[in-house]
Amino acid sequence: QKEVEQNSGPLSVPEGAIASLNCTYSDRVSQSFFWYRQYSGKSPELIMSIYSNGDKEDGRFTAQLNKASQYVSLLIRDSQPSDSATYLCAVNIDGGATNKLIFGTGTLLAVQP
Amino acid sequence: GAVVSQHPSRVICKSGTSVKIECRSLDFQATTMFWYRQFPKKSLMLMATSNEGSKATYEQGVEKDKFLINHASLTLSTLTVTSAHPEDSSFYICSATPAYNEQFFGPGTRLTVL
Repeated sequence: QKEVEQNSGPLSVPEGAIASLNCTYSDRVSQSFFWYRQYSGKSPELIMSIYSNGDKEDGRFTAQLNKASQYVSLLIRDSQPSDSATYLCAVNIDGGATNKLIFGTGTLLAVQP
Repeated sequence: GAVVSQHPSRVICKSGTSVKIECRSLDFQATTMFWYRQFPKKSLMLMATSNEGSKATYEQGVEKDKFLINHASLTLSTLTVTSAHPEDSSFYICSATPAYNEQFFGPGTRLTVL
């Protein structure tokens, strides 16, 4: 069974620190990777997508992808209390044949003021 | 851009009734929409993939006769929970795809079946 794994947390970081969120996936043919943020009681919000090995930066967020290690991560610089949420890693499961995604169980991030 | 709406946001119904949930892409055309269910403190579980003009593809274990999906246009998909029971109470979320693989989610519908 194709899987996406994340540490459930909670990951607690002080305000202003770097939060590092990690995700591994089992399907070697996966080509597309996404990070979503979900606040309690709300639906997921897309914050980053990454398709190629290496780093992709968008504001305070940096996504990192290593397909050889089947590993994708999200770094949040200068963490703010408003970043406190569950972060979901999502992976396309069939090499792009469809747009279906598999989601990890999410990592709960708590940024302490 | 890439705004998805869902209606209603919350619904409470009696056991045995049917509930229809609408999902609309407001500023783009979506050939594919997805329906998810999420239980408290659990991750998203894909229920079905909805393609405009064709039958939905259901994930293993999802009853297609219970969860009726219609994708009537490039901007509208509906999920009807038929003969709802308390165990169907959940957070139902749709998503739509305007571009390669990126899914944008609606705000979700919280269903409570009494």
